[in-house]
Amino acid sequence: RKEVEQDPGPFNVPEGATVAFNCTYSNSASQSFFWYRQDCRKEPKLLMSVYSSGNEDGRFTAQLNRASQYISLLIRDSKLSDSATYLCVVLSGNTPLVFGKGTRLSVIA
Amino acid sequence: EAQVTQNPRYLITVTGKKLTVTCSQNMNHEYMSWYRQDPGLGLRQIYYSMNVEVTDKGDVPEGYKVSRKEKRNFPLILESPSPNQTSLYFCASRDRESYEQYFGPGTRLTVT
Repeated sequence: RKEVEQDPGPFNVPEGATVAFNCTYSNSASQSFFWYRQDCRKEPKLLMSVYSSGNEDGRFTAQLNRASQYISLLIRDSKLSDSATYLCVVLSGNTPLVFGKGTRLSVIA
Repeated sequence: EAQVTQNPRYLITVTGKKLTVTCSQNMNHEYMSWYRQDPGLGLRQIYYSMNVEVTDKGDVPEGYKVSRKEKRNFPLILESPSPNQTSLYFCASRDRESYEQYFGPGTRLTVT
């Protein structure tokens, strides 16, 4: 089983839609979780950290389910500028960050 | 401005011709990494370094070398590049405490 798995998409959604991505991780000892955003041919950038209690940043909500070992990202009221690839990232102990392959989102006018 | 810089940004070379991609960060980060990104395979870590003179292999180290003689620099060396090393390469750094990783703008390498 891969360490971090994501649905590659693409997710094609109309403007204004709500879209959710899930990501599963295999190491139950993982303690830190993040979502990164990568625009086409650009470098990945941190979108938000994921906390056990869940956290919200504007239209974006991240949640963690430790029992089922998955994290989610919810985007409300999608904008054209949200079109990107979203990378799930997991940290386990004093090891390098583990990146998922990413989920591609296209928001269509 | 806090940043990670990579050079060159684009490189076309021939099989077997040694090359170095430089990486530098100005944030005094302990951790630095090199990744390659290929369609359908995502980001794969080549090498990482947790501090000066400390380097470790990542998931795909074959055909690459690195060095960490100074905290700010982490060059990636391809002693004898081959066409299967054609890829988009990213350097990254992070502070041990914050976990946010900063990426360089990428180097697109083509080996013919």
